[in-house]
Amino acid sequence: EVQLVESGGGLVQPGGSLRLSCVASGFTFDNFAMTWVRQAAGTGLEWIAALSASDDVPYYADSVKGRFTISRDDSLNTVYLQMSSLRVEDTALYYCARGLTIDAWGQGILVTVSS
Amino acid sequence: AIQMTQSPSSLSASVGDRVTITCRASQDIRDDFGWYQQRPGKTPKLLIFAASKLERGVPSRFSGSVSGTVFTLTINSLQPEDFASYYCLQYFKYPYTFGRGTRLEIK
Repeated sequence: EVQLVESGGGLVQPGGSLRLSCVASGFTFDNFAMTWVRQAAGTGLEWIAALSASDDVPYYADSVKGRFTISRDDSLNTVYLQMSSLRVEDTALYYCARGLTIDAWGQGILVTVSS
Repeated sequence: AIQMTQSPSSLSASVGDRVTITCRASQDIRDDFGWYQQRPGKTPKLLIFAASKLERGVPSRFSGSVSGTVFTLTINSLQPEDFASYYCLQYFKYPYTFGRGTRLEIK
């Protein structure tokens, strides 16, 4: 069974940093691109970052480019999202997801940016 | 970035009805496109990939089609568990983009 488990969320002040982790199991991790998607309360899904399996090239939404960094450690079956210069509008539930077609999702981890 | 214009934003229907939801891409995205269902308080779930291919385990009352840059999700014979929000996603070109969603409510 494919499982994706996020951790590292919480409350942070504007301008602060946070690192999310997502541990994967149930599939061959290094064969898949990994993606982060977020959803602010009561709103839709926003694709924010992805990292390919083959060449480790990261891709970002304009809303997070230059502030967020996606990375992975295939030896730990883990993908990370380093978030810096956080803004109130980054408050959301952050999902880790598998692949380019996003065929599996974690349960999500809440990030709240507030003073 | 490629824009995905999804409509309608909300829709009321009854059990047993047939409904359609559309997404229009701002440019050609071939069939690099998917539909997702999100029930209230739950994680999104992939329904359709490659525009028209049914994800394993998804009931056959769900179907997807494409004509040019217009993608359609059809749900035949609505069931109570189908009342949810639906999102489209283009994965043709980075940054990938979701549609703004359609909330399907019980009439």
